[in-house]
Amino acid sequence: DGGITQSPKYLFRKEGQNVTLSCEQNLNHDAMYWYRQDPGQGLRLIYYSQIVNDFQKGDIAEGYSVSREKKESFPLTVTSAQKNPTAFYLCASSIDSKSPWVYEQYFGPGTRLTVT
Amino acid sequence: QKEVEQDPGPLSVPEGAIVSLNCTYSNSAFQYFMWYRQYSRKGPELLMYTYSSGNKEDGRFTAQVDKSSKYISLFIRDSQPSDSATYLCAMILIIQGAQKLVFGQGTRLTINP
Repeated sequence: DGGITQSPKYLFRKEGQNVTLSCEQNLNHDAMYWYRQDPGQGLRLIYYSQIVNDFQKGDIAEGYSVSREKKESFPLTVTSAQKNPTAFYLCASSIDSKSPWVYEQYFGPGTRLTVT
Repeated sequence: QKEVEQDPGPLSVPEGAIVSLNCTYSNSAFQYFMWYRQYSRKGPELLMYTYSSGNKEDGRFTAQVDKSSKYISLFIRDSQPSDSATYLCAMILIIQGAQKLVFGQGTRLTINP
């Protein structure tokens, strides 16, 4: 089965600890994305990567870091600098992200992170 | 002001009703318009997307875009309890060759049997 996997589904951490969320895809997609979803705010883009070893900040990158060492993997680290880390985190991928063609973004099942 | 505005609801209607979901946007540079459906605790899945003003139909779903008014809608006919989900509108900007997807807040919809 092709798709995007995120693990774990639920994650609990103490304030001040860094935590890394996993995202893997076997769709052979070039582009990968991380979004954060909070109640009443829709999805907001954290980071995206168009190719391996390259990534760009999205709208709310502060307190987060990513890496893209392999095409199929795009892990997100939530650092202690992120002031409100509790949220639902969604990873997505698309064939690529270049214009003029529009490609569907496929989403993973998400990771719900709770920091106390 | 948010680039994309969507009433978060919640919206509750009886089974069989016609549902209308709407979004407005402020940036005329948006080029593509999409509707995603998200079931509870799941990732969003693409329902429909369109580029031009007008209507696009797919089964019980109709997407409508009015670029002059910066307004998009999704209509669901003969609504079913399985349509109960959060519906997110999304729009694409092309920035420096990359596609950026901007989402509305999402509308939580419940179809009552």
